Amino acid sequence: GNSVTQMEGPVTLSEEAFLTINCTYTATGYPSLFWYVQYPGEGLQLLLKATKADDKGSNKGFEATYRKETTSFHLEKGSVQVSDSAVYFCALPNTGGFKTIFGAGTRLFVKA
Amino acid sequence: GAGVSQSPSNKVTEKGKDVELRCDPISGHTALYWYRQSLGQGLEFLIYFQGNSAPDKSGLPSDRFSAERTGGSVSTLTIQRTQQEDSAVYLCASSLEPSGSGNEQFFGPGTRLTVL
Repeated sequence: GNSVTQMEGPVTLSEEAFLTINCTYTATGYPSLFWYVQYPGEGLQLLLKATKADDKGSNKGFEATYRKETTSFHLEKGSVQVSDSAVYFCALPNTGGFKTIFGAGTRLFVKA
Repeated sequence: GAGVSQSPSNKVTEKGKDVELRCDPISGHTALYWYRQSLGQGLEFLIYFQGNSAPDKSGLPSDRFSAERTGGSVSTLTIQRTQQEDSAVYLCASSLEPSGSGNEQFFGPGTRLTVL
């Protein structure tokens, strides 16, 4: 069935550094791909998504491109801020398409 | 409109007691999901509802766990004879349609359960 693997954390960066969090997937067909974010003390919220191959999702300065050739959906941001400190989850639908499979999460710490 | 709400926000109980956790999804959302998040861990899927039916209960850890949904709205997750390993944050999410078809899941703030 469908699965997702993301890089382990924690990732610690200084403010204004470039961020990449790797995510690769295994899937039947070309399902939608998601990044969710969980800020400290809060529930998860959708950060961005891409619904088909070669699409780029973007939000709050974050971007991720749906690459079918490498089965990847890496999250990037050119200049991180302290407020970006959170846990980031890569996700995709299960094979049956009725629920979402989440990666293990990558914790990001951004230092001032 | 209101988002997904969960109650209580925190629950401390003694080992062996039963607990009920409540989730109020966004009005009109047909799909509802329960997850468990242990400290520093990812999300563990527990159960999925489509309307009042639960097509997928595969994530429930044991028969001490059960859930129901009534009126296509409110859901309760019940844990009987709680154990210390049940301590975690229980998250509820809802989506307009099953999330697999590209639909966003909206999460509640969670219930933090501590079993002493």
